[in-house]
Amino acid sequence: ILNVEQSPQSLHVQEGDSTNFTCSFPSSNFYALHWYRWETAKSPEALFVMTLNGDEKKKGRISATLNTKEGYSYLYIKGSQPEDSATYLCASYSGNTGKLIFGQGTTLQVKP
Amino acid sequence: DAGVIQSPRHEVTEMGQEVTLRCKPISGHDYLFWYRQTMMRGLELLIYFNNNVPIDDSGMPEDRFSAKMPNASFSTLKIQPSEPRDSAVYFCASSLKELPGGELFFGEGSRLTVL
Repeated sequence: ILNVEQSPQSLHVQEGDSTNFTCSFPSSNFYALHWYRWETAKSPEALFVMTLNGDEKKKGRISATLNTKEGYSYLYIKGSQPEDSATYLCASYSGNTGKLIFGQGTTLQVKP
Repeated sequence: DAGVIQSPRHEVTEMGQEVTLRCKPISGHDYLFWYRQTMMRGLELLIYFNNNVPIDDSGMPEDRFSAKMPNASFSTLKIQPSEPRDSAVYFCASSLKELPGGELFFGEGSRLTVL
C-alpha cells in the first residue's frame, strides 16, 4: 500500500448502533498513526496518536487499535449517537516520506 | 485558550489576483503547517515550519505559491497570480511537539474561490 486508504467512504447507521471503520497505511518504516474527527463547518480535532503495534486507545465510546505489521488501524464507536456524525480522518507518518499523509476519510451519519 | 486563528474565512477573487491567507498559531507551538483540502486529493501538506524556519516545502504546487513565517505568532500563504484550480479550503495547523507524535491543532480554514 503506497497511500493511506480509508473504508468505507461513508456510513449511515441508526442511533445506538456500534460501528467501525478501517485505515490502511504503508507498514514499512512506520512511525505513527493519527485519528482526527472533523465535524461539518468546524476544524479537524485529534482523537488519538498511536505508535506501538498492538496499541489500543479509548476516549469515551470511541476506541482505536493499531497493527503496524500489517498496516491497518480500526476505529470503533460503541452505541453511536447523532453527535458522532462527522468525517473521521486517519493519517500515517512514515520515515519514507517524513510527512503526515491523510486518508480521504470516512463520513459517518447517525440517524436518531 | 484561543485556538489556531485563520483569516479570511472566505475569499472570492478573480483569476490573476493575488491572494493572501493568514494564520496565527497557538502560543507556544513551535510547528506550523499549511494544508490544502480538495475533493479530489483530500488534505495535502503544502509546507511546514519549525521555529519560523521552513522545513519542507515540497508540497507547494508551483512558484505561484509562497509562504512566510516572520515571527512565532504569524504566518502567511500567498498565491500570485491565482487560478481557478487553486479553489480549495486552506487549513493552517500548529503543533506543540514534533511529528510523528505531536497532534495537530487545526484552524477553521480559509475557503478560497477563484473565478
